[in-house]
Amino acid sequence: DGGITQSPKYLFRKEGQNVTLSCEQNLNHDAMYWYRQDPGQGLRLIYYSQIVNDFQKGDIAEGYSVSREKKESFPLTVTSAQKNPTAFYLCASSSGHPNEQYFGPGTRLTVT
Amino acid sequence: RKEVEQDPGPFNVPEGATVAFNCTYSNSASQSFFWYRQDCRKEPKLLMSVYSSGNEDGRFTAQLNRASQYISLLIRDSKLSDSATYLCVVGLGNAGNMLTFGGGTRLMVKP
Repeated sequence: DGGITQSPKYLFRKEGQNVTLSCEQNLNHDAMYWYRQDPGQGLRLIYYSQIVNDFQKGDIAEGYSVSREKKESFPLTVTSAQKNPTAFYLCASSSGHPNEQYFGPGTRLTVT
Repeated sequence: RKEVEQDPGPFNVPEGATVAFNCTYSNSASQSFFWYRQDCRKEPKLLMSVYSSGNEDGRFTAQLNRASQYISLLIRDSKLSDSATYLCVVGLGNAGNMLTFGGGTRLMVKP
């Protein structure tokens, strides 16, 4: 089955802890993206990567970090510097042509 | 001004009704256009791409008006299962192939 997986589905952390969210795809897509969605709001881009070993900041990168060591994987670390980390985090991938993006099921992070 | 604007709704319609959503975008250089559907607490799923000539997929019709910078989605013969949030999405076709998402329009279809 081709698709995008994210784990875990729910994650709870204490303030001050870093946490890493997993995103894996087997669609052979070059581009991958991380978004966050807050209740009642649209998706905001955190980071994106068009190719292995390269990534770019999106609109709200502060307090987050990523890596792209393999084509299939694009993990996101939410650091303690992120002021409001509680949100729904969505990973997406795209072949680029056409540029539709396909989403994983998301990780709901709660930090208390 | 938001880059992609949608009426948040909710639109409450009876089963069988026809409902239309509009969306406006601010960047005239936008090159790709989509409608996504998002169910409560789930990920967005691509509903359809929107082409300049307009396109139809079953009960769903999408239109693009580049001159006025708006996109529409028409749903005919609404089903209970159409209840969801519909996201208008616009791409610049830039190097990152990034997409900009509207805040979504919530549709509730009632029996």
